[in-house]
Amino acid sequence: GIQVEQSPPDLILQEGANSTLRCNFSDSVNNLQWFHQNPWGQLINLFYIPSGTKQNGRLSATTVATERYSLLYISSSQTTDSGVYFCAVNQGGKLIFGQGTELSVKP
Amino acid sequence: EAGVAQSPRYKIIEKRQSVAFWCNPISGHATLYWYQQILGQGPKLLIQFQNNGVVDDSQLPKDRFSAERLKGVDSTLKIQPAKLEDSAVYLCASRTPHRVWTGELFFGEGSRLTVL
Repeated sequence: GIQVEQSPPDLILQEGANSTLRCNFSDSVNNLQWFHQNPWGQLINLFYIPSGTKQNGRLSATTVATERYSLLYISSSQTTDSGVYFCAVNQGGKLIFGQGTELSVKP
Repeated sequence: EAGVAQSPRYKIIEKRQSVAFWCNPISGHATLYWYQQILGQGPKLLIQFQNNGVVDDSQLPKDRFSAERLKGVDSTLKIQPAKLEDSAVYLCASRTPHRVWTGELFFGEGSRLTVL
């Protein structure tokens, strides 16, 4: 089956710093979503981005489907950005998740 | 618009007991999913429904797990008997109806199960 790899696995930032999270996938996909899992466990939709670039406030995402990767950019990080970030790819109607990047933003 | 509702939020049981989780998807969402997320891992698909029919249950441990979706709306996931390794968060998700295979997924808050 399709493999979804995220990097880095862990990231510690000082508040105000910028970061880039990467998601590589091993096969063609119908679409890709980025999620933030908050400390209470809920998965919050960040982006639905099968291709191209989208921005939402301090966050933006780019997917290059032909090269099978997606990037999530976090600018001017805040402590509330802490948590686990997952990318998930849709193949045949099923969402396949990566292992996540655990982000910790220190004040 | 109301989100995906799940209950209970937390459940602690002893091994070999049974447990059931309930999910109410976003109104009008025909596709419903149950995922299992073990601590430190990404969610893993257990079962996918389209209306009240099962589309994919290849990763559901059928000797102990069962799920149903009566009338194509609410769904329940049951574990009987529970094992220690079933300790996880059980997430329910539903998909926007106008793009059955490619639409965005929305998740509930999850039901956290601890098996002692």
